[in-house]
Amino acid sequence: EAGVAQSPRYKIIEKRQSVAFWCNPISGHATLYWYQQILGQGPKLLIQFQNNGVVDDSQLPKDRFSAERLKGVDSTLKIQPAKLEDSAVYLCASSFTRNPAETQYFGPGTRLLVL
Amino acid sequence: SQQGEEDPQALSIQEGENATMNCSYKTSINNLQWYRQNSGRGLVHLILIRSNEREKHSGRLRVTLDTSKKSSSLLITASRAADTASYFCATDANSGGYNKLIFGAGTRLAVHP
Repeated sequence: EAGVAQSPRYKIIEKRQSVAFWCNPISGHATLYWYQQILGQGPKLLIQFQNNGVVDDSQLPKDRFSAERLKGVDSTLKIQPAKLEDSAVYLCASSFTRNPAETQYFGPGTRLLVL
Repeated sequence: SQQGEEDPQALSIQEGENATMNCSYKTSINNLQWYRQNSGRGLVHLILIRSNEREKHSGRLRVTLDTSKKSSSLLITASRAADTASYFCATDANSGGYNKLIFGAGTRLAVHP
């Protein structure tokens, strides 16, 4: 079974530029998550989708971050404009259902450096 | 704010020794999970323990849960160099009207050959 795919793996941009990350979850997984992991910290949930609907985006900085999952499969996360503090690893995960007891499967992440 | 706090932040041991990592949390939970993250990789689910369970085993892993103390421990027995990774506990907590996973800051484990 193919895992969660993410691209790009690395991205370096200057502050105030925009960037987009892509995620393709495991086939059949209805729930998709985007996490931000700052160096030395645990992942922090940014947004959770159930199919193509948003379940939780309470920790998404909506003035600069946006995400979509239009067809309920793959998803994109965008930052515009980027700030220095956005430097982090952006992890995408998916699970079969939204039950928090369900195992979440993580992609390898996109490492973003904002200069 | 983070629900889980791991202790210690970093642990360095020799191959063959046991490694114990602890996690404390603040609010009541339905279950607690442990994940592993190798350097530069995504997280991998290790084990889940429900709030009505006290101990669970999976291979060389042993997890305990003490809901009265709001704490859990992960024991890795007979450690190997390949166990070198960061280990995170994650608790499901009600936030905004529904339950979601909240991760701690993790314990960085280094196992030396």
